[in-house]
Amino acid sequence: GAVVSQHPSWVICKSGTSVKIECRSLDFQATTMFWYRQFPKQSLMLMATSNEGSKATYEQGVEKDKFLINHASLTLSTLTVTSAHPEDSSFYICSALPWAGGGSSTDTQYFGPGTRLTVL
Amino acid sequence: EDQVTQSPEALRLQEGESSSLNCSYTVSGLRGLFWYRQDPGKGPEFLFTLYSAGEEKEKERLKATLTKKESFLHITAPKPEDSATYLCAVHDSWGKLQFGAGTQVVVTP
Repeated sequence: GAVVSQHPSWVICKSGTSVKIECRSLDFQATTMFWYRQFPKQSLMLMATSNEGSKATYEQGVEKDKFLINHASLTLSTLTVTSAHPEDSSFYICSALPWAGGGSSTDTQYFGPGTRLTVL
Repeated sequence: EDQVTQSPEALRLQEGESSSLNCSYTVSGLRGLFWYRQDPGKGPEFLFTLYSAGEEKEKERLKATLTKKESFLHITAPKPEDSATYLCAVHDSWGKLQFGAGTQVVVTP
């Protein structure tokens, strides 16, 4: 149980193009999902919190116009990197909090397998 | 300020050589301490959640324990497939996961 998928697993794009990454909770519903970024040999850095049906909350220093997040359903959140540049190349990982019902979520985040983005 | 510190940074073990990883934390009002395993090029895989001092959880060769200031992840008789980076995280004051830098474990046959 508690499986999260990401698509694509890797993507190569040209500078200036936009890339969309999907995050799906496969066997549970999630009102809250998170997007992280990880650089080589570093730990995860939270970029934003995605809430179903409302605007995402971005961490300090993360450009919300560059990293567009949409959480349109209880099982899907998307991250769109707009006008990507080489410095956006990174490993992007999403996570999801299973919805416990009654307006609450559990505490444990389950992570997707990650998406490797390379911008040429 | 909430902080999570893991030690050692790296650990090289012979197969069967048991050892422990440390995660020390400072957070106001612990809402959960989490252990994850991360293989290269993959997302973190959930291992354990601990909520209160004295709590212990086990899974195969792994055992996690929690005190008021730190958590230990004990690896008993490790096998090469236990090689990974082990991440510790706590819920910070804002309810977000704050990760330590991780301990990279390599188990050689």
